[in-house]
Amino acid sequence: QVQLVESGGGVVQPGRSLRLSCAASGFIFISHGMHWVRQAPGKGLEWVAFISYDGSNKYYGDSVKGRFTISRDNSKNTLDLQMNSLRAEDTAVYYCAKDQQMFTIPGPYGMDVWGQGTTVTVSS
Amino acid sequence: DIQMTQSPSSLSASVGDRVTITCRASQSIRTYLNWYQKKPGKAPKLLISAASSLESGVPSQFSGSGSGTDFTLTISSLQPEDYATYYCQQSYSSPYTFGQGTMLEIK
Repeated sequence: QVQLVESGGGVVQPGRSLRLSCAASGFIFISHGMHWVRQAPGKGLEWVAFISYDGSNKYYGDSVKGRFTISRDNSKNTLDLQMNSLRAEDTAVYYCAKDQQMFTIPGPYGMDVWGQGTTVTVSS
Repeated sequence: DIQMTQSPSSLSASVGDRVTITCRASQSIRTYLNWYQKKPGKAPKLLISAASSLESGVPSQFSGSGSGTDFTLTISSLQPEDYATYYCQQSYSSPYTFGQGTMLEIK
């Protein structure tokens, strides 16, 4: 079945780094752009980053630009999020999600498949 | 950046009620508007894409409408499983912002 499984979350000190991964299965990974979305405790959903199907286009939210890097390995069907210079406000559940649009940047069709989320806690 | 504003922020309603949630974009996003349902401890679920297209498997009591800057999500007859937080999200241009959410509570 179509599935996304995140891993790599944990507790990290402010200023340190963490790398999240997302393993995809059950669909043609190379055909779709992928997103990271997060939800801080008691807060709403926040879009974090997008990478196009071939990795040529990458976009970031204002709060993570310059600190986070999204990447993908289409040979392994994996998506990553390298998070550097972490802050307390980065504490959240991080979800990877599949964009419904194929072979281009996001279209009007939204994120139709989501992982279960991985928790990142930034604390000293 | 495009700002997405939902109203109301919270709503109390009874089973069987008709509920409408609105979402306004700070500039035209054509029909690049998606609605998600979020329950505690669960991943978000895409309900409606492209402003009015019901996703496969989503009950028909959900519907969406609008274009440009003003959009609505309507639940025609609330069911117990519909109590959740609902988010709109624009996929027109980066950053692909979400609204602040509308928490739907049992009356």
